[in-house]
Amino acid sequence: DAGVIQSPRHEVTEMGQEVTLRCKPISGHDYLFWYRQTMMRGLELLIYFNNNVPIDDSGMPEDRFSAKMPNASFSTLKIQPSEPRDSAVYFCASRENEQYFGPGTRLTVT
Amino acid sequence: GQQLNQSPQSMFIQEGEDVSMNCTSSSIFNTWLWYKQDPGEGPVLLIALYKAGELTSNGRLTAQFGITRKDSFLNISASIPSDVGIYFCAGVGGGADGLTFGKGTHLIIQP
Repeated sequence: DAGVIQSPRHEVTEMGQEVTLRCKPISGHDYLFWYRQTMMRGLELLIYFNNNVPIDDSGMPEDRFSAKMPNASFSTLKIQPSEPRDSAVYFCASRENEQYFGPGTRLTVT
Repeated sequence: GQQLNQSPQSMFIQEGEDVSMNCTSSSIFNTWLWYKQDPGEGPVLLIALYKAGELTSNGRLTAQFGITRKDSFLNISASIPSDVGIYFCAGVGGGADGLTFGKGTHLIIQP
């Protein structure tokens, strides 16, 4: 199994630009989670889906953040417009019984 | 929201020593998990605990789910250089499916 796949691994963008992060969960996993990791706040849950339906988005920091899961094998996390304080590592995880994490996308907004 | 207090924040030990770290919470969790994160990678699941009082081993790692369901510990025996990394506890509870993470224990091993 290839595990959870995320792309890109690194993203550097300027403030105000739109950023789209992508995730392919492990096949057969019916839950998908997006987390953000920063030095100050650690690992935080942003949003999660069950069977492609968003269940809890209370962790999404602002309206600038949005996430979609158009099918069972793909999800996106979009930030528009991006700000320097959005700089962090964003992880996608999928779950059948327990959560397995992707390698993350390191986002830097200048 | 739920919070996990993980300690110690960092540990400097000699190779071969045993390691112990723990997490506590004011809230009850239904599942406790321990992850390890290496630089530039995502957290990797080490051990999952599902029942209060459960004691589970995975090689040199042993973890327990506290009786009160508000705490868990992880022990590593006879540490080796590849044990270096950040260890996170995580809990599932309160009707939520997402993980609540501790702040991590940074393990540094001196040869």
